[in-house]
Amino acid sequence: AQRVTQPEKLLSVFKGAPVELKCNYSYSGSPELFWYVQYSRQRLQLLLRHISRESIKGFTADLNKGETSFHLKKPFAQEEDSAMYYCALSYRAGTYKYIFGTGTRLKVLA
Amino acid sequence: EPEVTQTPSHQVTQMGQEVILRCVPISNHLYFYWYRQILGQKVEFLVSFYNNEISEKSEIFDDQFSVERPDGSNFTLKIRSTKLEDSAMYFCASSLDGSNYGYTFGSGTRLTVV
Repeated sequence: AQRVTQPEKLLSVFKGAPVELKCNYSYSGSPELFWYVQYSRQRLQLLLRHISRESIKGFTADLNKGETSFHLKKPFAQEEDSAMYYCALSYRAGTYKYIFGTGTRLKVLA
Repeated sequence: EPEVTQTPSHQVTQMGQEVILRCVPISNHLYFYWYRQILGQKVEFLVSFYNNEISEKSEIFDDQFSVERPDGSNFTLKIRSTKLEDSAMYFCASSLDGSNYGYTFGSGTRLTVV
């Protein structure tokens, strides 16, 4: 069965420190993985998708099929990065659907 | 950048009452979706809608739920007789062609059942 796991509910780091938000997935086919960010009371926003290999707002994520991971990283955290981050897996069963992890709240401390 | 718009942002309703959550998908999108996020839990797929009919639904989407596209712009989720456990954030999403390219979520409606 498809599953996305984010082991940390809360991650607190100091401004300027590196950030790594962990995500592991379980999927039998070729996964398409995404990171979404949700700032306070706002919409889910696409942060990045693994197939585009973009770096958005300084965040990167590499798909590691051997470890079935898609960890989100940023070398230097900023206060405005504080938000809820969701790892998601998209798969096609009929139409495309998303499976989300439970999310990690990132708090960047001054 | 085009957006998916949801109204209201917060709805409070009494248990047993009917509630309708409204969404305006991106105008040229053809596929529409509802997701639910119970507080502290993950976002879960409820239903997908295409060509004026449900294309898929999850086990959460029971007979209490229905969706409709009453006109060319709105996409609604109706809960007939709300229960306390229906309290959640409900996200609408749309995509152009059913792929995950351009799949866009709205800002959500927080439903509180009292």
